[in-house]
Amino acid sequence: AQSVAQPEDQVNVAEGNPLTVKCTYSVSGNPYLFWYVQYPNRGLQFLLKYITGDNLVKGSYGFEAEFNKSQTSFHLKKPSALVSDSALYFCAVSPTGNQFYFGTGTSLTVIP
Amino acid sequence: DAGITQSPRHKVTETGTPVTLRCHQTENHRYMYWYRQDPGHGLRLIHYSYGVKDTDKGEVSDGYSVSRSKTEDFLLTLESATSSQTSVYFCAISDTGGTDTQYFGPGTRLTVL
Repeated sequence: AQSVAQPEDQVNVAEGNPLTVKCTYSVSGNPYLFWYVQYPNRGLQFLLKYITGDNLVKGSYGFEAEFNKSQTSFHLKKPSALVSDSALYFCAVSPTGNQFYFGTGTSLTVIP
Repeated sequence: DAGITQSPRHKVTETGTPVTLRCHQTENHRYMYWYRQDPGHGLRLIHYSYGVKDTDKGEVSDGYSVSRSKTEDFLLTLESATSSQTSVYFCAISDTGGTDTQYFGPGTRLTVL
């Protein structure tokens, strides 16, 4: 069965510190990997994606993610957190090219 | 929100009644998706469409049907709503499917009493 795990429901980080939001997956083949962010009462917004190539992917708003095939992980990172980064973050994988599987989400709070 | 609208935005209905949610796009994207979002489950795919009249099931399709008679509209129908279908429903679109970015609508909050 295809699955995506975000092991932390909540991540708290001080403003200016680096942040990491973790994602691991269990899917067949070579999946496509995505990160989305959701602000309160809004739909999801795309942050970045990995299809192939360089394992370090850079995306919107200074976020980046590292693909690790051996650990089947795709962790989201940012060198210096902002209060405005506080939101709900979702990891998603597409194993077949048509269907998407989302993690349960990680709530990020950046403390001023 | 990238030319995607959902209607209604909020709906309260009673168990056993039919409900139809509408997703409308102005981007001419080929793929359209319906998800439900529930605490502890994240987003789960209900159905998706890869063209007019071409649809397929997602992981939580039981109790739902869809139709797409025009590129721009994707309808989600709950034939007989149940309390377990209380959720927030999101429509999404993408141009080329799984390798492509999905753009999400603002969501519909459905409450089944």
